[in-house]
Amino acid sequence: AQTVTQSQPEMSVQEAETVTLSCTYDTSESDYYLFWYKQPPSRQMILVIRQEAYKQQNATENRFSVNFQKAAKSFSLKISDSQLGDAAMYFCAYRSAARGSNYKLTFGKGTLLTVNP
Amino acid sequence: DVKVTQSSRYLVKRTGEKVFLECVQDMDHENMFWYRQDPGLGLRLIYFSYDVKMKEKGDIPEGYSVSREKKERFSLILESASTNQTSMYLCASRRLGHPTYEQYFGPGTRLTVT
Repeated sequence: AQTVTQSQPEMSVQEAETVTLSCTYDTSESDYYLFWYKQPPSRQMILVIRQEAYKQQNATENRFSVNFQKAAKSFSLKISDSQLGDAAMYFCAYRSAARGSNYKLTFGKGTLLTVNP
Repeated sequence: DVKVTQSSRYLVKRTGEKVFLECVQDMDHENMFWYRQDPGLGLRLIYFSYDVKMKEKGDIPEGYSVSREKKERFSLILESASTNQTSMYLCASRRLGHPTYEQYFGPGTRLTVT
């Protein structure tokens, strides 16, 4: 079974600076998908960014980018020019590409990001 | 915009009660999910549904059941609530298709069982 590990329960960053959230995963599969979800306080969880394992190029979405290291099974999220609205719980998630994977996402335990003004 | 709604934001029930948590999505999504979120444990999948009347157990189905009679609605049932089921419950839906299609989440129901 796949596992997802977020080793930083909490992180903090100064407004306008850059922060990197770590995520590692364990899998024996070669094809899969990785996601970062954001859960703001008392608000709905939303997708931040996604990465397909067969793509070598790192995904980017505006101020959010990932560093995908397939051999190391690492999928970190970099937030540039941090804003107060980035404060949230961030979850890393894995999805198998295998048939019969049941569309299931396996989530890490989350990293709580605080943004200091 | 996709909208996933859950019937209650906060719910307090007594041990032994039968509890229904309702989730409705308005985008004709085939897949729907129920997760449980606990501090330090992340999100764990309870049940999911491929489509109407189709369901499959997730990682922690014990003590729960589900119902999906209509495409837009997915209900989570606690047959006999227990204190260890006190948690945040999140519903999600997803369009069938490419594996990268995202899951859209509801606001959550914080259930307290006393």
